[in-house]
Amino acid sequence: DGGITQSPKYLFRKEGQNVTLSCEQNLNHDAMYWYRQDPGQGLRLIYYSQIVNDFQKGDIAEGYSVSREKKESFPLTVTSAQKNPTAFYLCASSMGPRENIQYFGAGTRLSVL
Amino acid sequence: AQTVTQSQPEMSVQEAETVTLSCTYDTSESDYYLFWYKQPPSRQMILVIRQEAYKQQNATENRFSVNFQKAAKSFSLKISDSQLGDAAMYFCAYRRPQGGSEKLVFGKGTKLTVNP
Repeated sequence: DGGITQSPKYLFRKEGQNVTLSCEQNLNHDAMYWYRQDPGQGLRLIYYSQIVNDFQKGDIAEGYSVSREKKESFPLTVTSAQKNPTAFYLCASSMGPRENIQYFGAGTRLSVL
Repeated sequence: AQTVTQSQPEMSVQEAETVTLSCTYDTSESDYYLFWYKQPPSRQMILVIRQEAYKQQNATENRFSVNFQKAAKSFSLKISDSQLGDAAMYFCAYRRPQGGSEKLVFGKGTKLTVNP
């Protein structure tokens, strides 16, 4: 089945620790995105990538980093500089700049220990 | 900056009845895209319907339809014959046309409860 796989489903971070959230897609989509969702809020864009080896900051990129070494993979690292990391993280993909529909994974819930 | 406002934090509807969720947005663009996404308890975002601003005809997908009022910058979602499985958070989202940021700008959502 084609789709977007996020792992793990639940993740816990200790103080001062970096953690990485995985996002893999087998849809052959060029563009991938990371969003953060807080309670009572809509989604906010963290980073996005239109092609391999290129990515752009979104609205709330501070404390996060990404890489795009392969078309199908777009991991998100939550660094120790992100002081309020507890949230639900959603990865999305779209065919590319000319395709306006974004498809979402099932999300990762990150909590701080 | 574009903003999306959903003025109804919560709505409820009886099974088989019709409900309308409201959305307004602010933009200076003339061409853009609007979406309604559904987020059930599983929390995966599912596309319900989309509208291209240059099309005057309102989009329809089975029991879901929109009322797109471009001049008023309004984009409401109507759910007909509501079913228990329609219970979810519904998010309205805006996207600029190609060539700029591809991000979706989301409203804060409306929680829909369907009563049996």
